[in-house]
Amino acid sequence: NAGVTQTPKFRVLKTGQSMTLLCAQDMNHEYMYWYRQDPGMGLRLIHYSVGEGTTAKGEVPDGYNVSRLKKQNFLLGLESAAPSQTSVYFCASSIRDAGSQPQHFGDGTRLSIL
Amino acid sequence: RKEVEQDPGPFNVPEGATVAFNCTYSNSASQSFFWYRQDCRKEPKLLMSVYSSGNEDGRFTAQLNRASQYISLLIRDSKLSDSATYLCVVRKDSSASKIIFGSGTRLSIRP
Repeated sequence: NAGVTQTPKFRVLKTGQSMTLLCAQDMNHEYMYWYRQDPGMGLRLIHYSVGEGTTAKGEVPDGYNVSRLKKQNFLLGLESAAPSQTSVYFCASSIRDAGSQPQHFGDGTRLSIL
Repeated sequence: RKEVEQDPGPFNVPEGATVAFNCTYSNSASQSFFWYRQDCRKEPKLLMSVYSSGNEDGRFTAQLNRASQYISLLIRDSKLSDSATYLCVVRKDSSASKIIFGSGTRLSIRP
């Protein structure tokens, strides 16, 4: 049972480059989330989705875009990477609203922007 | 003031000891509370939900104190495998975006 799978696991980009992080879940969860985790800080919500075809902004959405064309996939895009986006990115999913249901996390993507 | 605050630690305790740490939250209307565990360079995993009446799961006990706006986690008979960072998670309201993670408390169990 794969659960939540993130690709890639690691990536190094140059400032200004673009890339897409892929999150896939096989649990038929409605809700999906993208977080970033920086040293000394809690996970911060970037964007989230409450179902196929929907997306919404979280706490720190600037510089990122997302798409949820299929229920099982949630893509996070960086159009023009900046050093401030160096972080560990986690995708998560939950059956319904994560306020009442546990979130299942992928094992993260470590992204460095030079 | 942060919306969810945790003592970063590290808490360094001997195997077999009992250890407890708290997490304070600023929004008195917060609705749901959780403890997650995160191992070094790994993803967070749900440890337990925190109910108003408190709850226990084996060696772990979670309590909620709404009057003082904090939740606590107690670990009894600590094991080496309990070494991890413990994240406090608070849901502020019914919106899916209002889930706030604390920055975590690092626990290290020594032999």
